[in-house]
Amino acid sequence: NAGVTQTPKFRVLKTGQSMTLLCAQDMNHEYMYWYRQDPGMGLRLIHYSVGEGTTAKGEVPDGYNVSRLKKQNFLLGLESAAPSQTSVYFCASSYFPRLPTDTQYFGPGTRLTVL
Amino acid sequence: GENVEQHPSTLSVQEGDSAVIKCTYSDSASNYFPWYKQELGKRPQLIIDIRSNVGEKKDQRIAVTLNKTAKHFSLHITETQPEDSAVYFCAASKRGGGSNYKLTFGKGTLLTVNP
Repeated sequence: NAGVTQTPKFRVLKTGQSMTLLCAQDMNHEYMYWYRQDPGMGLRLIHYSVGEGTTAKGEVPDGYNVSRLKKQNFLLGLESAAPSQTSVYFCASSYFPRLPTDTQYFGPGTRLTVL
Repeated sequence: GENVEQHPSTLSVQEGDSAVIKCTYSDSASNYFPWYKQELGKRPQLIIDIRSNVGEKKDQRIAVTLNKTAKHFSLHITETQPEDSAVYFCAASKRGGGSNYKLTFGKGTLLTVNP
């Protein structure tokens, strides 16, 4: 199993450009999450999904949109990138219903720079 | 919503010494408390977790304690080794009852183990 994968690994955008980050998991997890990590700020939840076709806002959702059209994929979109969105983005997944575990498994991260 | 405070933000110890990282949480309904380790440039990975029906849990050199009354929990690492050097994050969530397993993270502790 590949676990949780993210593409791309690195990206540089100009202010105002758009892009989509892809997260994929092959563990049949129900829940998926997008976080951003900034120095001294820990991991902050952007959006999350509790199942295919569902999405919900997290702590810092402004400027981002998400979609979960397939259970294994969770997309994070930036419609008009701003320098404040320069960060490392992590995707995570959790909760296989038949197992009593809450563990969130993280992807390798995407380093995004907005100029 | 939940708020998790983590201290200290940096911790430097000599190899072989013990290290203790402390976290407090605000929501008395939180019942799941994981700890993640993040090495430089890598993804966060779960190292140990504790549920609210348990006061202490150990796994080799790592232990976590929970005081529900005071709403704080701590990570203890004994006989530290250079490979323990990393950023450690605590987190809290409400497990079950439609909680969606959202984690609220502390801001992290940079642990440096000096040889």
